[in-house]
Amino acid sequence: EVQLVESGGGLVQPGGSLRLSCAASGFTFRSYWMHWVRQVPGKGLVWVSRINSDGSSTSYADSVKGRFTISRGNAQSTLYLQMNSLRAEDTAVYYCARDGALGGFLFDYWGQGTLVAVSS
Amino acid sequence: DIQMAQSPSSVSASVGDRVTITCRASQGISSWLAWYQQKPGKAPQLLIYTASNLQTGVPSRFSGSGSGTDFTLTISSLQPEDFATYYCQQANSFPLTFGGGTKVEIE
Repeated sequence: EVQLVESGGGLVQPGGSLRLSCAASGFTFRSYWMHWVRQVPGKGLVWVSRINSDGSSTSYADSVKGRFTISRGNAQSTLYLQMNSLRAEDTAVYYCARDGALGGFLFDYWGQGTLVAVSS
Repeated sequence: DIQMAQSPSSVSASVGDRVTITCRASQGISSWLAWYQQKPGKAPQLLIYTASNLQTGVPSRFSGSGSGTDFTLTISSLQPEDFATYYCQQANSFPLTFGGGTKVEIE
């Protein structure tokens, strides 16, 4: 069974940093691209970042470029999101998601999400 | 960036009703479109990929159609467990973008 379990969320002050983790199991992690998607509670879904299977290529939404860094540890089957210079508008539930390789770039499995709250 | 316009933003329907949700892309995306269902407090779940392909385990009352810029998600006979919010997503190019969502509510 595919499982994605996020951790690392919490309350942080504006300008602070946080590192999210996503532990994957039930599939060959090193074979799949992975993504982070966020959602302000009660609002819509926003794609944040993606990383290819070996970690050599990444992409970011303009809103986080230069502040967030996606990475992965294939030996540990873990995806990461390092978030620096956090702003109030980064407050959201952050989901990690597997790229299903079904055609195009889409998300066939999602974690349960971890809440990041940026506030003083 | 490709903008995704989803309509309606909400719909009230009864069990057994046929429900149709539309999604329009700001530029052609071939068939690179996905549909997701999200229930309150839960992560989204993939329903449809490449516009019309049903994800494994998804009931056949869900169907998708369209290509280019105009797409449709249809629920042929609404069931109690289908009351949720539905999102389209263009899977064509980065940044990946979602429609604003359609909340399907009980009438």
